[in-house]
Amino acid sequence: QVQLVESGGGVVQSGRSLRLSCAASGFTFRNYGMHWVRQAPGKGLEWVAIIWHDGINRKYADSVKGRFTISKDNSKNTLYLEMSSLRAEDTAVYYCGRIGYDTNSHPIDYWGQGTLVTVSS
Amino acid sequence: QSALTQPASVSGSPGQSITISCTGTSSDVGAYDYVSWYQQHPGKAPKLMIYDVSNRPSGVSNRFSGSKSGSTASLTISGLQADDEADYYCISYTSSSTLMVFGGGTKLTVL
Repeated sequence: QVQLVESGGGVVQSGRSLRLSCAASGFTFRNYGMHWVRQAPGKGLEWVAIIWHDGINRKYADSVKGRFTISKDNSKNTLYLEMSSLRAEDTAVYYCGRIGYDTNSHPIDYWGQGTLVTVSS
Repeated sequence: QSALTQPASVSGSPGQSITISCTGTSSDVGAYDYVSWYQQHPGKAPKLMIYDVSNRPSGVSNRFSGSKSGSTASLTISGLQADDEADYYCISYTSSSTLMVFGGGTKLTVL
């Protein structure tokens, strides 16, 4: 069965860096694009980044552009989110998600359980 | 890129139908049929309910349906059930510098 397991969250000081991982299993990872989506405590969902199946094409939300980098290692079946210059407003639960259908809706058919990132000042 | 506009809350009684709107602009909802809807129960990951405006993934109840008119997409839930009580989010593809934009979310209460 499809499983996505995020890790790497924790408490980090403002201005520092952190790398999140999303370990995928139960499907052929190299054939799928992936998203990162975040949710600040008590707030709504915010789209963060997308990477296409080949790991080459990527897009970012304006709020993280230039600070976050999405990547995927198809040999390790793992998705990453490198976060730098972290700010208090980056505090959120970060979810990874698999793009399940070949459409520009890029809909997420499977989600991880999320990992909490807390940026302290 | 501003978030898509959703009502903060809607409510309905069991068995009734409700509709949640998602209003965007000519750069997102109005320009493309690339709107999806997610359901999120408290403390859980979201669940895909609708994609490409009106397509329902396998396993999602046919009580959930989607539509679009102009720059407003809608999610309709018929035959409301207690378990439908959750937060609902729309998301659209956008031609702006960011690729995707979420709505602010709507809390559905089943009375």
